[in-house]
Amino acid sequence: AQSVSQHNHHVILSEAASLELGCNYSYGGTVNLFWYVQYPGQHLQLLLKYFSGDPLVKGIKGFEAEFIKSKFSFNLRKPSVQWSDTAEYFCAVRLSGGYNKLIFGAGTRLAVHP
Amino acid sequence: KAGVTQTPRYLIKTRGQQVTLSCSPISGHRSVSWYQQTPGQGLQFLFEYFSETQRNKGNFPGRFSGRQFSNSRSEMNVSTLELGDSALYLCASSTTGEGTEAFFGQGTRLTVV
Repeated sequence: AQSVSQHNHHVILSEAASLELGCNYSYGGTVNLFWYVQYPGQHLQLLLKYFSGDPLVKGIKGFEAEFIKSKFSFNLRKPSVQWSDTAEYFCAVRLSGGYNKLIFGAGTRLAVHP
Repeated sequence: KAGVTQTPRYLIKTRGQQVTLSCSPISGHRSVSWYQQTPGQGLQFLFEYFSETQRNKGNFPGRFSGRQFSNSRSEMNVSTLELGDSALYLCASSTTGEGTEAFFGQGTRLTVV
């Protein structure tokens, strides 16, 4: 069955540190890739998405992600985190022909200390 | 424009009862999907409706059902509630076609006691 793996379940960083969250998926066909963020008490919000073209995509709030097809990966990065980035981050995959069904990873809880 | 609206925000039900949750999508969005979020299983897809038809279904028992109305509003129903049904139920709305993304509501927190 298709699945999405997020390698880090909990990450703790100090402000200004760099962030990289790993995401791998298992599916050999065409995919759309997403990173969503869930701030405490808020709804899921889209950070960025990849459909085609340049594998390096930029999202909101300084986040970016790189799609590496050969590694089935879509890692999220931010050069310098802020306390306000404290949230849970979800990687999600939509398979070709899967309509709008999203397969989510387990999520990564990020805590940023001032 | 208004986002995805889910009602009610919180529910407490007793085992064996049934419950109906409601979702109003963003205006113009015809696709509505439902997800269950739990600490143990994460976010799991329940089903998707488009133009009043279920066109995709996750791996949940038949106690979980849904429907969509002609104005794209959707409801999901869970019958014979079990303790394990306690979760945050999220609704997402989308347009169709290439390049679409899902917009999520704040969810309905269901507690089964």
